[in-house]
Amino acid sequence: GENVEQHPSTLSVQEGDSAVIKCTYSDSASNYFPWYKQELGKRPQLIIDIRSNVGEKKDQRIAVTLNKTAKHFSLHITETQPEDSAVYFCAASKSTGFQKLVFGTGTRLLVSP
Amino acid sequence: SAVISQKPSRDICQRGTSLTIQCQVDSQVTMMFWYRQQPGQSLTLIATANQGSEATYESGFVIDKFPISRPNLTFSTLTVSNMSPEDSSIYLCSVDSGTGAAGELFFGEGSRLTVL
Repeated sequence: GENVEQHPSTLSVQEGDSAVIKCTYSDSASNYFPWYKQELGKRPQLIIDIRSNVGEKKDQRIAVTLNKTAKHFSLHITETQPEDSAVYFCAASKSTGFQKLVFGTGTRLLVSP
Repeated sequence: SAVISQKPSRDICQRGTSLTIQCQVDSQVTMMFWYRQQPGQSLTLIATANQGSEATYESGFVIDKFPISRPNLTFSTLTVSNMSPEDSSIYLCSVDSGTGAAGELFFGEGSRLTVL
């Protein structure tokens, strides 16, 4: 089955710096790669996703890149702010008609003022 | 988007007892998903619940330990049976967009269980 690895497990940056979180997946048939943000004590929420027919997607300060050949994808956050502090999970799915996400192990991002 | 309500939000349970978690969605959905998030860990899919059929369990999870009901298109329950301290986790209910393609998962707030 699919296996998703995520690095780093923790990441500390200064406000205004960029943050990059990387994930690799094992199943070449996976074609959907979302990123979820989970604030302390809250539910996970989707922040951005990418499908295998594109290599990069941006939404304001957040971007995701996908390299299908190497089977890895990354989350990029620019101009980080303290409210970006949270745990971020990548995930992968090859589902059509059935949503079965396999999540990475999570990255705890701490943005210091 | 979907609004998902879970009950209880948290509970402290004694070893050997069972607890049922309820999940209510504000719209009709075909599939509902139950995830477990152990302390400081990732999200692991327990099972997928379809209305009118048996739930589909992931490797490592069995019906006797985690029986699931899905009586209609807006409601599901997950029971954690014969609990041990290792079952202390957050249990999350989720649904997808219902388009039939991979897309956003919407999560409930979770039920935090502590087993003593």
